[in-house]
Amino acid sequence: KNQVEQSPQSLIILEGKNCTLQCNYTVSPFSNLRWYKQDTGRGPVSLTIMTFSENTKSNGRYTATLDADTKQSSLHITASQLSDSASYICVVSAEYGNKLVFGAGTILRVKS
Amino acid sequence: KAGVTQTPRYLIKTRGQQVTLSCSPISGHRSVSWYQQTPGQGLQFLFEYFSETQRNKGNFPGRFSGRQFSNSRSEMNVSTLELGDSALYLCASSSYRGNEQFFGPGTRLTVL
Repeated sequence: KNQVEQSPQSLIILEGKNCTLQCNYTVSPFSNLRWYKQDTGRGPVSLTIMTFSENTKSNGRYTATLDADTKQSSLHITASQLSDSASYICVVSAEYGNKLVFGAGTILRVKS
Repeated sequence: KAGVTQTPRYLIKTRGQQVTLSCSPISGHRSVSWYQQTPGQGLQFLFEYFSETQRNKGNFPGRFSGRQFSNSRSEMNVSTLELGDSALYLCASSSYRGNEQFFGPGTRLTVL
């Protein structure tokens, strides 16, 4: 069964600190993995997208890693800001892009 | 380039009524997907349209339906509304099936 599991479910960190969000998947055949950021009441916005052959990709203070062997991905946020408070969703594309499997998301709250 | 637009942004209906939501994809995008998002369930896939044809369908009852027009604009309809249909309904477009999806801001539906 295709599944994407994210951890932790929620996280509270202090402004300026780093954090890492996890995504484990059992999706086959794997096409790509995307991380989205969703602010409350808004649509998700893409942060990174990685294919099978890529093991790291950065977008500013966001760095995603992918281990296709262990089927794990992480999203590392450096020097967090209050505006990073959002839900982060891991999405794995299967069946040559014709099927998307969504994780439940990690809710991040950055406190001052 | 204008992003994905959804109308209306907010909607309040009562049980038993029906509702139609509209989505205008990014210019040139031919694939439109619809999702339901609730706090407890995360993002749930409803259906995908490409070239006016439904290509994929999620596990939702027949009360949920949609269509796509020749200009790629899409509508989804929910009949006989239930309290549990209260959710954020998101539309996403992509240039082609399997390509990166760009999400709209969503329509917040409240069923009383």
